[in-house]
Amino acid sequence: KQEVTQIPAALSVPEGENLVLNCSFTDSAIYNLQWFRQDPGKGLTSLLLIQSSQREQTSGRLNASLDKSSGRSTLYIAASQPGDSATYLCAVTRDYGGSQGNLIFGKGTKLSVKP
Amino acid sequence: KAGVTQTPRYLIKTRGQQVTLSCSPISGHRSVSWYQQTPGQGLQFLFEYFSETQRNKGNFPGRFSGRQFSNSRSEMNVSTLELGDSALYLCASSLAGASNQPQHFGDGTRLSIL
Repeated sequence: KQEVTQIPAALSVPEGENLVLNCSFTDSAIYNLQWFRQDPGKGLTSLLLIQSSQREQTSGRLNASLDKSSGRSTLYIAASQPGDSATYLCAVTRDYGGSQGNLIFGKGTKLSVKP
Repeated sequence: KAGVTQTPRYLIKTRGQQVTLSCSPISGHRSVSWYQQTPGQGLQFLFEYFSETQRNKGNFPGRFSGRQFSNSRSEMNVSTLELGDSALYLCASSLAGASNQPQHFGDGTRLSIL
């Protein structure tokens, strides 16, 4: 059974700091891995999607890496800003017979960036 | 392009009642998935519909059911509501199939059971 773990559960940093969020998963047979952001009372916003054959993806100040063999992914946020404060969720997608299955989520890392 | 729309945003019900939630996916998306989010369990997969057929199902009791219409809009129904059903219910849409496109979420329906 696939399990996704995110460490730490909460993180507080001063503005401008570079930071890394960690995600680990127990079964390497994934279709892809997605990082999401969730603001209080809102749904999820997709940040980055890494296909199982890829090693990393970048979007602006965000960089996500994937190491399937070790079952790990990291989300790197450069030059953090107060607007980055949110809960960040990692999710893997099962390989559902060659197509995308359902998302399996970690519990998230609640990030607070202090001005 | 409009995003995923969920209605209503908030619902208050009492134990034993039943409820129907609605989700309109992004235009062109044929897959709709439903998730339950609670503080204790986090986000858990309920079921996925593709072309009006349930393609995948999570580990929830039969009180939770859904359907998808020919225009890809989906509804989720929960019967005989229990206090533990209080949660944020999120809907996600995607192109589906052998696709590596991301899943897009709505803002959810907050269901409170009294």
